[in-house]
Amino acid sequence: AQSVSQHNHHVILSEAASLELGCNYSYGGTVNLFWYVQYPGQHLQLLLKYFSGDPLVKGIKGFEAEFIKSKFSFNLRKPSVQWSDTAEYFCAVNAGTGGFKTIFGAGTRLFVKA
Amino acid sequence: GAGVSQSPRYKVTKRGQDVALRCDPISGHVSLYWYRQALGQGPEFLTYFNYEAQQDKSGLPNDRFSAERPEGSISTLTIQRTEQRDSAMYRCASSLEGQGALGQYFGPGTRLTVL
Repeated sequence: AQSVSQHNHHVILSEAASLELGCNYSYGGTVNLFWYVQYPGQHLQLLLKYFSGDPLVKGIKGFEAEFIKSKFSFNLRKPSVQWSDTAEYFCAVNAGTGGFKTIFGAGTRLFVKA
Repeated sequence: GAGVSQSPRYKVTKRGQDVALRCDPISGHVSLYWYRQALGQGPEFLTYFNYEAQQDKSGLPNDRFSAERPEGSISTLTIQRTEQRDSAMYRCASSLEGQGALGQYFGPGTRLTVL
């Protein structure tokens, strides 16, 4: 069965620090990979996605993620965080062919100190 | 608005009562998904629809849970004889047909508390 593991449940950073949130998945076939974000008081929203092509994908607000197939990883990065990046981040995966059943990780709560 | 809407936003009920949670997807989105999210966890897949057809209900935890989407638009998730362990955030999402693999649009969720 598919599963997603996020390495850190809570991360605290100061503004301008670099961010990397780890995500590993288990699934043997072709996958689509996602990062979703939930800002305080808002809905879950898509941050970025990978389904084919360049394994380095760029999303909104300066975020990027790299798909490393050999490591079953899809880590999220941002070179310099801002206070407004305080949110909960979820990594998710579904099967690459007609895969609608999306499996989410437990989430990482990021707090950025101003 | 143009987003996914859910109602009620909050529901408190007593153990043993039935509840119905509603989801209104984005106009034109033919795929609809239900998730349950416990505190400190990520969303857990329950079921999804393409139009009115329930394509996958493998995530429904037991036969007290059911979902329908009779006209291919609004969906209702029903929990019968609620139990305290059903307390969670219930999230609905929608996507263009065939685009579920490329990301979903989520509603605000319904916070269910079973006393």
